[in-house]
Amino acid sequence: QKEVEQNSGPLSVPEGAIASLNCTYSDRGSQSFFWYRQYSGKSPELIMSIYSNGDKEDGRFTAQLNKASQYVSLLIRDSQPSDSATYLCAVNQAGTALIFGKGTTLSVSS
Amino acid sequence: KAGVTQTPRYLIKTRGQQVTLSCSPISGHRSVSWYQQTPGQGLQFLFEYFSETQRNKGNFPGRFSGRQFSNSRSEMNVSTLELGDSALYLCASSSGTGGAATQYFGPGTRLLVL
Repeated sequence: QKEVEQNSGPLSVPEGAIASLNCTYSDRGSQSFFWYRQYSGKSPELIMSIYSNGDKEDGRFTAQLNKASQYVSLLIRDSQPSDSATYLCAVNQAGTALIFGKGTTLSVSS
Repeated sequence: KAGVTQTPRYLIKTRGQQVTLSCSPISGHRSVSWYQQTPGQGLQFLFEYFSETQRNKGNFPGRFSGRQFSNSRSEMNVSTLELGDSALYLCASSSGTGGAATQYFGPGTRLLVL
């Protein structure tokens, strides 16, 4: 059974701080990794995708992948109240379905 | 480019009835995946269609079925509805198959079974 694990939270950070979201996965053959953001009552929207070990930066967001440790993380710098949402980690191996974690709820206080 | 569209957006049914949900992918996308989202189980994969063929299937009972048409539009059907089928049903489209390509989600259909 392929699994993707995330802390459910809530993770609370003050405005302007760095929020760190973590995800572990069980399938060592996983090749593609995604972070989605989901606001309450809305559908998930893609924030980042990462395929190789290391860091990938996009604006205030940085995704980090460590395949040896089967670990992927998302850092949000200068967190804003508008970043308050549930963050979903998704993992897949080529040819198979995308498997989602249950998400981490982030709350950014002003 | 228009995004993924799903109809209807909201639906109320009673136990034992059946329901059909529709999804139109982003223009040019040939893969459509369906997910069920509930507060307790999170996002669970139902099935994926690519070029009218089911490529992957999740661990759901046979009451859940789907199909894809030649224009890539997809439908999913749930027969003999149960209370536990109440959920947000999301479809996602992508240009490739198998989940490696980025998936873009529609707004979802919220189904309530009474």
